[in-house]
Amino acid sequence: EAGVAQSPRYKIIEKRQSVAFWCNPISGHATLYWYQQILGQGPKLLIQFQNNGVVDDSQLPKDRFSAERLKGVDSTLKIQPAKLEDSAVYLCASSNLASGRLVNEQFFGPGTRLTVL
Amino acid sequence: AQTVTQSQPEMSVQEAETVTLSCTYDTSESDYYLFWYKQPPSRQMILVIRQEAYKQQNATENRFSVNFQKAAKSFSLKISDSQLGDAAMYFCAYRTSGNTPLVFGKGTRLSVIA
Repeated sequence: EAGVAQSPRYKIIEKRQSVAFWCNPISGHATLYWYQQILGQGPKLLIQFQNNGVVDDSQLPKDRFSAERLKGVDSTLKIQPAKLEDSAVYLCASSNLASGRLVNEQFFGPGTRLTVL
Repeated sequence: AQTVTQSQPEMSVQEAETVTLSCTYDTSESDYYLFWYKQPPSRQMILVIRQEAYKQQNATENRFSVNFQKAAKSFSLKISDSQLGDAAMYFCAYRTSGNTPLVFGKGTRLSVIA
């Protein structure tokens, strides 16, 4: 079974430029998460999708960040314009849809390391 | 809001020895799950072990075991017979049931000395 795929692995941009990250979750996984991991910290949720709908985007800086999940499969996270403090690793994770008390494992991709100069 | 605290930014252990990583959390929920993830330099988050709060028995996975103290809201990870490949960042994480996201601590960097 193929894992969660992300691209690019690395990206370096100047501040005020735009950038986009792509995530392909594990086939059949309904739930997709984008996390931001700043150096020296644990990952923090930016946005959660269930199929192609947004479940939680309360931590997404909507003035500069946007995300979509077309057809409930692949997802794209965009930053426009980027700021210095956006330098971080962006992790994508996916899981099967759980119900009730059940919790399904989140599988993580390798992440994209963004450096904003 | 739920919070996860890892008070040890760095730890080191001799190869073949045992090390314990600490984690405390704060929640008002009664039904939740706790995890330890390993993140090597490749950045890939790997699940090490999970614990359901409703289970009294501590989880074990080969050389990895946890000490879950629900009343104290403590969840430590013990690594026995440490190996060089265990060197990585270790994150304690929490989530409630269903499809909720993970809440992570700041991590502990583990070094293994040959």
